[in-house]
Amino acid sequence: DARVTQTPRDKVTEMGQEVTMRCQPILGHNTVFWYRQTMMQGLELLAYFRNRAPLDDSGMPKDRFSAEMPDATLATLKIQPSEPRDSAVYFCASGLAQGAGVLTEAFFGQGTRLTVV
Amino acid sequence: GNSVTQMEGPVTLSEEAFLTINCTYTATGYPSLFWYVQYPGEGLQLLLKATKADDKGSNKGFEATYRKETTSFHLEKGSVQVSDSAVYFCALSLHGSSNTGKLIFGQGTTLQVKP
Repeated sequence: DARVTQTPRDKVTEMGQEVTMRCQPILGHNTVFWYRQTMMQGLELLAYFRNRAPLDDSGMPKDRFSAEMPDATLATLKIQPSEPRDSAVYFCASGLAQGAGVLTEAFFGQGTRLTVV
Repeated sequence: GNSVTQMEGPVTLSEEAFLTINCTYTATGYPSLFWYVQYPGEGLQLLLKATKADDKGSNKGFEATYRKETTSFHLEKGSVQVSDSAVYFCALSLHGSSNTGKLIFGQGTTLQVKP
């Protein structure tokens, strides 16, 4: 049963610390999305990749956030330094785009619940 | 710009009632459309999808039809159960633009089904 794996599931950290969230996409998928979910803002798209190349990271605060795909089996989202306002649930989604980049499916991981105190 | 608008919640229904959650979109080109469901403490699960006009997606008793003329993709179910209580998200994915494949979500609609 193919699934998207995110680690850690929960993270509590102090303000100013670096946080790294990891995502293992589904084998054979070529698209990875990072979203942030809060009660106030809903689901926000932070960045997405196609074939490991970033296509759009305009939703991400560039001064403290960075997203990478070191290889096809791993996507990372880093926050340095973290702030209390970064507290949220961060989701990774793995997708398959075909033809001219048409997304045919996308599946979400269980999320990382980040609390910055 | 490209966006998805859903009806505001919460939607509260009695068990076995008919469900409609409205979703309309604005997009350049012709997007693919999706419905996702999120249960408390979990990630979003793909519920159904439609990739072109007049397509009907269906799954677990839910269905939605891609209406290009009204730019809508309303979610329906004939008889809801308590276990359907969740947050439902409508989403679009763009085609044929610089943002091909980008997945954009609506704000979500909370459904509460009472026994």
